[in-house]
Amino acid sequence: GAGVSQSPRYKVAKRGQDVALRCDPISGHVSLFWYQQALGQGPEFLTYFQNEAQLDKSGLPSDRFFAERPEGSVSTLKIQRTQQEDSAVYLCASSLGGPTGPNVLTFGAGSRLTVL
Amino acid sequence: GESVGLHLPTLSVQEGDNSIINCAYSNSASDYFIWYKQESGKGPQFIIDIRSNMDKRQGQRVTVLLNKTVKHLSLQIAATQPGDSAVYFCAENFPKLSFGAGTTVTVRA
Repeated sequence: GAGVSQSPRYKVAKRGQDVALRCDPISGHVSLFWYQQALGQGPEFLTYFQNEAQLDKSGLPSDRFFAERPEGSVSTLKIQRTQQEDSAVYLCASSLGGPTGPNVLTFGAGSRLTVL
Repeated sequence: GESVGLHLPTLSVQEGDNSIINCAYSNSASDYFIWYKQESGKGPQFIIDIRSNMDKRQGQRVTVLLNKTVKHLSLQIAATQPGDSAVYFCAENFPKLSFGAGTTVTVRA
């Protein structure tokens, strides 16, 4: 597609529910990144993939967070047993090249998660 | 550890004036820097980037300056327009981006 597409744009969950956030990267982009952005803050790195391989998941806050990209294209970020502190905008980005060279990341509009 | 930060959280600019947004970084090994603009309800939008082997790079109405001696990065916007109102982030790429908290730029008519 023309840009990075994320769905849903808005998600309200009750505490304890599981949620799944989807990212459709730009076609042909090798690398895919997930970021978490709290209100009034800059994005914080969560994890990234090169094709289907998850190369770095050091930013995932807890084992309740899980990301996958099984076919090297669409990615899903899953949050189990959501907590109020998980409320944030989750941004997905993709880039053309691999992770070792300069990357211009193209971001999606984000999925805003509110946990009640 | 690495950190990227902006000097001022807010900047108010008169339409037509030039804007300067500053950023300090602490990782002297960083070799790539990026500026993003984020409007309300949208994802960050790439503005301009620069590698550490350069001191200056120009784009359309924007210039990024890199001072490696004092580990300082700045973004200059010429003839600021109302559409430039947004939050501006500098970020390091090593390879994952590390963002600062951002500077909110408000353009006064």
